[in-house]
Amino acid sequence: GIQVEQSPPDLILQEGANSTLRCNFSDSVNNLQWFHQNPWGQLINLFYIPSGTKQNGRLSATTVATERYSLLYISSSQTTDSGVYFCAVVGSGYSTLTFGKGTMLLVSP
Amino acid sequence: DAGVTQSPTHLIKTRGQHVTLRCSPISGHKSVSWYQQVLGQGPQFIFQYYEKEERGRGNFPDRFSARQFPNYSSELNVNALLLGDSALYLCASSLVGQGAYEQYFGPGTRLTVT
Repeated sequence: GIQVEQSPPDLILQEGANSTLRCNFSDSVNNLQWFHQNPWGQLINLFYIPSGTKQNGRLSATTVATERYSLLYISSSQTTDSGVYFCAVVGSGYSTLTFGKGTMLLVSP
Repeated sequence: DAGVTQSPTHLIKTRGQHVTLRCSPISGHKSVSWYQQVLGQGPQFIFQYYEKEERGRGNFPDRFSARQFPNYSSELNVNALLLGDSALYLCASSLVGQGAYEQYFGPGTRLTVT
């Protein structure tokens, strides 16, 4: 099946700093989603982005499908951004999400 | 509109017992998927149902089963519980059963097996 690798595994930032999270995948996809998992376990949809670039406030994402990677940018980080960020993909011909292992982000005041 | 709902929120069971977890999808969504997330890992796919039919099954033993009802809600059943079944169980819904559609997750059921 498709492989998903996220980097870095852990990230510690000061409030106000910017960061870039990366997601590499091993095959063509027809769905790519970024999620933020809060401390209670809820997966919150950030972006549905199988290709192209999207922005939502301080967050933006870019997926380059031909090169099999996606980037999540967080600008002016806040303590509420802390948590685990997951990238998940659906390989072409499939219908279920395969998740990476996540990036754990800690933003300190 | 309500999002994906799951019940119960938390559950404690003993080894060997049986458990049933429930999920209601977003109104209008016809596909439900179940995922298991153990501590420190990303969610792993268990089942997908669309229009009451099983459309996919992950690498889980036959102790795990599921079904989808005419109103598109779903149940996940686990028999003969093992300590290793302790995990967060997540339900996701999407409009249809094709992979190109965005999936939305419920708050999860945290199962502890003692």
